[in-house]
Amino acid sequence: DTEVTQTPKHLVMGMTNKKSLKCEQHMGHRAMYWYKQKAKKPPELMFVYSYEKLSINESVPSRFSPECPNSSLLNLHLHALQPEDSALYLCASSQGLSSYEQYFGPGTRLTVT
Amino acid sequence: GEDVEQSLFLSVREGDSSVINCTYTDSSSTYLYWYKQEPGAGLQLLTYIFSNMDMKQDQRLTVLLNKKDKHLSLRIADTQTGDSAIYFCAETVNSGYSTLTFGKGTMLLVSP
Repeated sequence: DTEVTQTPKHLVMGMTNKKSLKCEQHMGHRAMYWYKQKAKKPPELMFVYSYEKLSINESVPSRFSPECPNSSLLNLHLHALQPEDSALYLCASSQGLSSYEQYFGPGTRLTVT
Repeated sequence: GEDVEQSLFLSVREGDSSVINCTYTDSSSTYLYWYKQEPGAGLQLLTYIFSNMDMKQDQRLTVLLNKKDKHLSLRIADTQTGDSAIYFCAETVNSGYSTLTFGKGTMLLVSP
C-alpha cells in the first residue's frame, strides 16, 4: 500500500476563517511533507517533519501552522489566509529524511475568498 | 545552486514514442526522478534513477541519464491517451535531506 490520503478534497474559506487540512499514511513512513502548488507551477516545499519533529520550515508565513500529532498524521492549520494562498496543497511521505522515494497524496484544492 | 529545466509542452499521436527532456545544474545530484500529474490530482512517482546509472527501463518507460551533460530524458513507448499529463523532472542532492527540486513540468498531450 503506497497510499497517502488527504482531506478535504476541496476547501473554500474566507480570510477570517480557521480551518485545517489533514494528511494520513499507513506505510510506516517517518518523514512527512507539505507542499504548495500554484496553477501551472511545480510544487514548492513548505514543511518537513521527521519522527514527528519539524525539521524544515521553508520560511513559510505563520498563518500556516503545521502539526504532526503522531507518525501517521500530518495537519496544516490555516488562519487569516490571503487570496494569494489559494493553491493545491500536497502532502507527501517517505521512509525517512534520506529516503529517495516520496509518495504524494491527491492534494486539497484550497480557495481563499 | 539547484536548477532544473524542462521544455513546457509536447504533443504526440497515440502509438508514437514520446521523449521528455530535462537538464539540471547541480553535479552533486544523487537521485533524479520523473513524476506524473494528471489534472486536479497529486503527483505519481513514475520512476527514478541513481546518478551512477546511465539507463533504467521499466515496462514502457526508459530513463536515460547523461551525467556529463547533466541531461535526463524519459521515453514513453507506445504512448496512450491516458499518458496525457504533466511530467515533472526532479532531483535530490547529497545534503542528508531528500528534498526534491522540481522542474517546471512538461505538458504531454496525446492525440488519437
